[in-house]
Amino acid sequence: SAVISQKPSRDICQRGTSLTIQCQVDSQVTMMFWYRQQPGQSLTLIATANQGSEATYESGFVIDKFPISRPNLTFSTLTVSNMSPEDSSIYLCSVTAGTGNYGYTFGSGTRLTVV
Amino acid sequence: DAKTTQPTSMDCAEGRAANLPCNHSTISGNEYVYWYRQIHSQGPQYIIHGLKNNETNEMASLIITEDRKSSTLILPHATLRDTAVYYCIVSENTGNQFYFGTGTSLTVIP
Repeated sequence: SAVISQKPSRDICQRGTSLTIQCQVDSQVTMMFWYRQQPGQSLTLIATANQGSEATYESGFVIDKFPISRPNLTFSTLTVSNMSPEDSSIYLCSVTAGTGNYGYTFGSGTRLTVV
Repeated sequence: DAKTTQPTSMDCAEGRAANLPCNHSTISGNEYVYWYRQIHSQGPQYIIHGLKNNETNEMASLIITEDRKSSTLILPHATLRDTAVYYCIVSENTGNQFYFGTGTSLTVIP
């Protein structure tokens, strides 16, 4: 199955700043997904990113706050903009696991703390 | 939105079978049932999936009721390393979004 490298693994940021999270996959994938996991909560889908098109955002998430780039079939970035303490979460990217309909593979996540 | 309902938490004695239930009464005919688990501070890990038939792999067994409205994940011999949050997800073939429910926090007790 696909292997995901997500960077940074963790960061502590000042409120009002922005952080860009990178997701690198070892194989070409059509769809990439970004999730947020707030402390003690389940995963919430932020957006779906297809190469060559605008990302599709879920209800409650907007492009100005979470801009996403998808420049090629192996890479994507998620930016958390104008951060506040409420943005403190784990952010994870996910891609198709591969052949055999095994769902999705997830990165290890980026643990973000906003102070 | 998530289409599954799971108990919030469960305990299981080490070495015993852990049976984790999931309700998905609105599942459609072409949706699969997937199970993932998330060990603290890690990304979710695939366990098993199925459409209609019961499935077994090296990690677990999946029992799906005949009407497909519920399923049970069975860990045959739970170990302390199986302590995790287990998520049941229904989704069509790869390419559709995964929506996570609240999951079941399983604690394996020595």
